[in-house]
Amino acid sequence: QQQVKQSPQSLIVQKGGISIINCAYENTAFDYFPWYQQFPGKGPALLIAIRPDVSEKKEGRFTISFNKSAKQFSLHIMDSQPGDSATYFCAASIISWGKLQFGAGTQVVVTP
Amino acid sequence: GAVVSQHPSRVICKSGTSVKIECRSLDFQATTMFWYRQFPKQSLMLMATSNEGSKATYEQGVEKDKFLINHASLTLSTLTVTSAHPEDSSFYICSAWGTSGITDTQYFGPGTRLTVL
Repeated sequence: QQQVKQSPQSLIVQKGGISIINCAYENTAFDYFPWYQQFPGKGPALLIAIRPDVSEKKEGRFTISFNKSAKQFSLHIMDSQPGDSATYFCAASIISWGKLQFGAGTQVVVTP
Repeated sequence: GAVVSQHPSRVICKSGTSVKIECRSLDFQATTMFWYRQFPKQSLMLMATSNEGSKATYEQGVEKDKFLINHASLTLSTLTVTSAHPEDSSFYICSAWGTSGITDTQYFGPGTRLTVL
């Protein structure tokens, strides 16, 4: 049973456009929601993370929007660049528990 | 961010041999380390949770006698794939969950590509 559902599976966006990836979760005990970026042949790298007491968090061109009542959160990549082409994973965890539940991943391709 | 290293980055071995993969947290102490495997174009699958000084906790369906995990110190965990077979070929990734100042998230290593011939 997948506890975190991620969509879309893949995404093509033009340079300068906005990439939007959505995730939904079931377990209301989750209290930590990170996003990871992974390039081929590399390990995932933490991109940005949010706690449920905040509805939005922005770091540079990356923004997380969080909707606690809907149990959904999303990643927005503004002014997408070719270097952003990667696979993005959302995740959720209970901080004290430590284990991350990952979404299935979204492959983002930014065309020049 | 915190740095986690893995060694080797890639290994090719013959069927039936054992392979050891090391995971080190370089600039923080990790009370907990996690081991994942990832198949092409798939998400990360948690194999086991490793706490320093205690036995690892394996996820359902993961053979603990095949995937031996040792977490001997706060900066080092090892995964040994025993009697490896071609179906064990995968990308193995560790992550470390820190103690002081880095308690909220896992930092991932660069991964180890295992190919079993």
